[in-house]
Amino acid sequence: GAGVSQSPRYKVAKRGQDVALRCDPISGHVSLFWYQQALGQGPEFLTYFQNEAQLDKSGLPSDRFFAERPEGSVSTLKIQRTQQEDSAVYLCASSLARDTYTGELFFGEGSRLTVL
Amino acid sequence: GQQVMQIPQYQHVQEGEDFTTYCNSSTTLSNIQWYKQRPGGHPVFLIQLVKSGEVKKQKRLTFQFGEAKKNSSLHITATQTTDVGTYFCAGRATDSWGKLQFGAGTQVVVTP
Repeated sequence: GAGVSQSPRYKVAKRGQDVALRCDPISGHVSLFWYQQALGQGPEFLTYFQNEAQLDKSGLPSDRFFAERPEGSVSTLKIQRTQQEDSAVYLCASSLARDTYTGELFFGEGSRLTVL
Repeated sequence: GQQVMQIPQYQHVQEGEDFTTYCNSSTTLSNIQWYKQRPGGHPVFLIQLVKSGEVKKQKRLTFQFGEAKKNSSLHITATQTTDVGTYFCAGRATDSWGKLQFGAGTQVVVTP
């Protein structure tokens, strides 16, 4: 596609529900990142994939958060038993470079999650 | 762990004035990137700096990477209303190459 596509754009969940957020990166991009951005804050790193391999998941805040990229393209971020503190914009980004030292990130529009 | 800090958090600028925003890391960085996020939008890549002491210019924007590769700055001259937004620096530590850590950003408001 022309850019990174994320869905849904907006999600309202009741506390305790599970949610799944989808990211479709730019075609051919090897690296894929998930970030969490709270209102008025900078993006916080969650996890990183190179192709289908999840190379760094140190930013996932708890075991309720799980990300996968089974075929090295589309990725899903799943949040189980959502809590109010999970409310944020979840940004997905992809990068062409295999070597992440030199890769600029292309961000999607984000998925805004509100937990009631 | 690595922390990236930006100052100031807010910058109110009169149109036509210059200003500088600063980025500091607690650890040595392999490279640093700058992004701009317009209100309601997503971060958009501006530039990457890799070498110690590197300076790069984009029209009215000047980016600098410190000699110790632990700090960076963005200087904007003759600010315009199109410069409104939040500017983020993002750095990769030398020992965690997959993790690009963002600062909290400098929110820029321009008064005509």
